[in-house]
Amino acid sequence: EAGVAQSPRYKIIEKRQSVAFWCNPISGHATLYWYQQILGQGPKLLIQFQNNGVVDDSQLPKDRFSAERLKGVDSTLKIQPAKLEDSAVYLCASSLLMAGVGYEQFFGPGTRLTVL
Amino acid sequence: KQEVTQIPAALSVPEGENLVLNCSFTDSAIYNLQWFRQDPGKGLTSLLLIQSSQREQTSGRLNASLDKSSGRSTLYIAASQPGDSATYLCAVRSNYGQNFVFGPGTRLSVLP
Repeated sequence: EAGVAQSPRYKIIEKRQSVAFWCNPISGHATLYWYQQILGQGPKLLIQFQNNGVVDDSQLPKDRFSAERLKGVDSTLKIQPAKLEDSAVYLCASSLLMAGVGYEQFFGPGTRLTVL
Repeated sequence: KQEVTQIPAALSVPEGENLVLNCSFTDSAIYNLQWFRQDPGKGLTSLLLIQSSQREQTSGRLNASLDKSSGRSTLYIAASQPGDSATYLCAVRSNYGQNFVFGPGTRLSVLP
């Protein structure tokens, strides 16, 4: 079974530039999550999709961050414009929505973003 | 608002020791709790998932327990090996929300 795919793996940009990350979840997984992990901290949820609808985006800085999940499969996360404090690893995860399975999450390798 | 803490922040042990990692959460109304390991520069690997109705889960040398009433979970690693060196994170999903809240992790070093 293929895992969660993310690209790019690394990205270096200057502040005020734009950047986009891509995620392809495990086939059949209805739920997709984007997390931000700052060095030395646990991941923080940015946005959660159920199929192509947003379930929770309460911690997404909507003035600069946006995300979409067209057709309920792939997802993109965009930052425009980037700030220095956006430097972090951006993790994508997915889970299979099924009673009894318990929403176990599977993570991709992440995208390490450096904003200069 | 759910808050998750992990103690200790870092731990260094000689190979072969049994060890315990701790995870505490403030709201006991949880749906489940999941333990992960994270290797440097990598994503998270799921280790164990405990449903709120369960007291423990085991996988190989790993055993995770859950005590909802006291807001705690422990991850027990038996006969530690250098390959166990990584950061271990716990994540809690509450009943009232659908998102997971992560702890800051415990960085484990197992010395040969």
